[in-house]
Amino acid sequence: DIQMTQSPSSLSASVGDRVTITCQASQDISNYLNWYQQKSGKAPKVLIYDASNLETGVPSRFSGSGSGTDFTFTISSLQPEDVATYYCQQSDNLPYSFGQGTKLELK
Amino acid sequence: QVQLVESGGGLVKPGGSLRLSCAASGFTFSDHSMSWIRQAPGKGLEWVSYIGTRGSTIYYADSVKGRFTISRDNAKNSLFLQMNSLRAEDTALFYCVRNTPSWAGGDVFDFWGQGTMVTVSS
Repeated sequence: DIQMTQSPSSLSASVGDRVTITCQASQDISNYLNWYQQKSGKAPKVLIYDASNLETGVPSRFSGSGSGTDFTFTISSLQPEDVATYYCQQSDNLPYSFGQGTKLELK
Repeated sequence: QVQLVESGGGLVKPGGSLRLSCAASGFTFSDHSMSWIRQAPGKGLEWVSYIGTRGSTIYYADSVKGRFTISRDNAKNSLFLQMNSLRAEDTALFYCVRNTPSWAGGDVFDFWGQGTMVTVSS
């Protein structure tokens, strides 16, 4: 089974900051990597699929990159509404797996 | 619009059983594989089970294998999760989730229900 290691587990940033989250797979998953945002009390929502493709309707300040085992999720200019927990997820092989999550707060 | 509405959660004693249901609407249910994903209180997301479009391809997380059974009824646009031998560590919000293949071919969890809470406690 593929293990996903996400870091950091939490971070605090100011409005306008550039925020970066990393995700590492235990084996090569090509670009089968998705990123989700979960706001408090809500179901998760997909932001990025196939490592770097922006889901329709998602603001362009969100981006993703990487392939193989190492991936990065970036918010170019943090907005107050971006406070949430973010998860990476591999879709290369069943059983699918998520990273542990990154809780993003405002400083 | 796409809707996924879960039901069947509740309080059950350890060793007990529950059957979760998910009513799907707003899309052609039989065209999509489906998953159950859970989230324990204050914890992260855990993928639980997958079922293919016809119900013949099924996968489970190791943590539930042998205890949970996923199924679907395409004629009734419904997804199910039969949960037996429940344990305290199964306490979680269970989400019904639609899978959609991406351009690259991997599944994306593109629509989620609001979840149904399962509490296992004596």
